[in-house]
Amino acid sequence: LAKTTQPISMDSYEGQEVNITCSHNNIATNDYITWYQQFPSQGPRFIIQGYKTKVTNEVASLFIPADRKSSTLSLPRVSLSDTAVYYCLVGDPATDKLIFGTGTRLQVFP
Amino acid sequence: DADVTQTPRNRITKTGKRIMLECSQTKGHDRMYWYRQDPGLGLRLIYYSFDVKDINKGEISDGYSVSRQAQAKFSLSLESAIPNQTALYFCATSDTVGQNNEQFFGPGTRLTVL
Repeated sequence: LAKTTQPISMDSYEGQEVNITCSHNNIATNDYITWYQQFPSQGPRFIIQGYKTKVTNEVASLFIPADRKSSTLSLPRVSLSDTAVYYCLVGDPATDKLIFGTGTRLQVFP
Repeated sequence: DADVTQTPRNRITKTGKRIMLECSQTKGHDRMYWYRQDPGLGLRLIYYSFDVKDINKGEISDGYSVSRQAQAKFSLSLESAIPNQTALYFCATSDTVGQNNEQFFGPGTRLTVL
């Protein structure tokens, strides 16, 4: 079964770059790695996904090494509104199911 | 996401009662999912369905059942609710394009079992 590990929490200040890493030792070969953001009392919201190397969109970048055993979500110049919980989502090769990480609570201070 | 709706949004019930949580979507997606979220445990998959005739168990299906009444509707039932099923429940949908894992979540249903 795929196992994911994320830091439980991280603190940052406005304007800083934040990198959140998800370790996933055994994931489905063909699935994308996806990251979600969740605010209190809301459902998770898609941020970015990638398969290998680097992907960038208007809100974040995602770095995935060649072995795909981890992925790093990079948030440039965070603001107070980026305070949320961030989850990685990967595919389990044994069951073909998608597994959410346990989440990283990011707190951004002024 | 307003295209995925869940009813009810909040529900308090008693041990042993049967409860149904409903999910509807207007995104035209074939795939639908039910998750529960507990503090500190993230989201865990209960059941998922890849089309109207397809139902699959997730990580924690015991004590739950589902029905895919139509492409747009996926309901979750607790046949005999127990207190440790108190949680936040989310429905989600996704498209079937390749290995795309982008899921669209409803607003959640907060269920309390006394």
